[in-house]
Amino acid sequence: QQPVQSPQAVILREGEDAVINCSSSKALYSVHWYRQKHGEAPVFLMILLKGGEQKGHEKISASFNEKKQQSSLYLTASQLSYSGTYFCGSTGGATNKLIFGTGTLLAVQP
Amino acid sequence: DGGITQSPKYLFRKEGQNVTLSCEQNLNHDAMYWYRQDPGQGLRLIYYSQIVNDFQKGDIAEGYSVSREKKESFPLTVTSAQKNPTAFYLCASSLVADPGDEQFFGPGTRLTVL
Repeated sequence: QQPVQSPQAVILREGEDAVINCSSSKALYSVHWYRQKHGEAPVFLMILLKGGEQKGHEKISASFNEKKQQSSLYLTASQLSYSGTYFCGSTGGATNKLIFGTGTLLAVQP
Repeated sequence: DGGITQSPKYLFRKEGQNVTLSCEQNLNHDAMYWYRQDPGQGLRLIYYSQIVNDFQKGDIAEGYSVSREKKESFPLTVTSAQKNPTAFYLCASSLVADPGDEQFFGPGTRLTVL
């Protein structure tokens, strides 16, 4: 039931791009993306809704394929501050009851 | 400043004792949530509340209890029935319980049961 994220971990140099994927076995109504630094609270990045609506930070982009039950987060021109663990969370219906994914650890090096 | 506060940041308890974790928000949000996070794992939903005086079980509610008597407060009690309570506990809130609403997280409470 928990969404599966890939890759599990990725190491980048500053300025490189990355894609993080989130795949669910259930039909998706919405997908949320959060970033968490070690020992801290998750921080909101983006929400994608069934039907195409999106809400999030300008420098973050993501896609949502309802048919494939997948979402991808695109990180371009990475900065050191992008380091952390990225989680997707999915809802299967018109509630905000999120089921979080397995997480992707991203490390950006100078 | 509006936000969510959780206290204490670190909590140590002896096995068999009940413990209550505090969560307060001044964002005027209707919905509030409790999550548990184990090392290297994602967040799992314990309980959520869509509105004051109402709450529902999440995926791992056994051994936990909550109350929502005030809009701004959603305390979580970890009871002795919870077999493995040592974890990082995160409280969150959203404007309403809508799939399009972002959740704002508190700083978390790290509970260690000795």
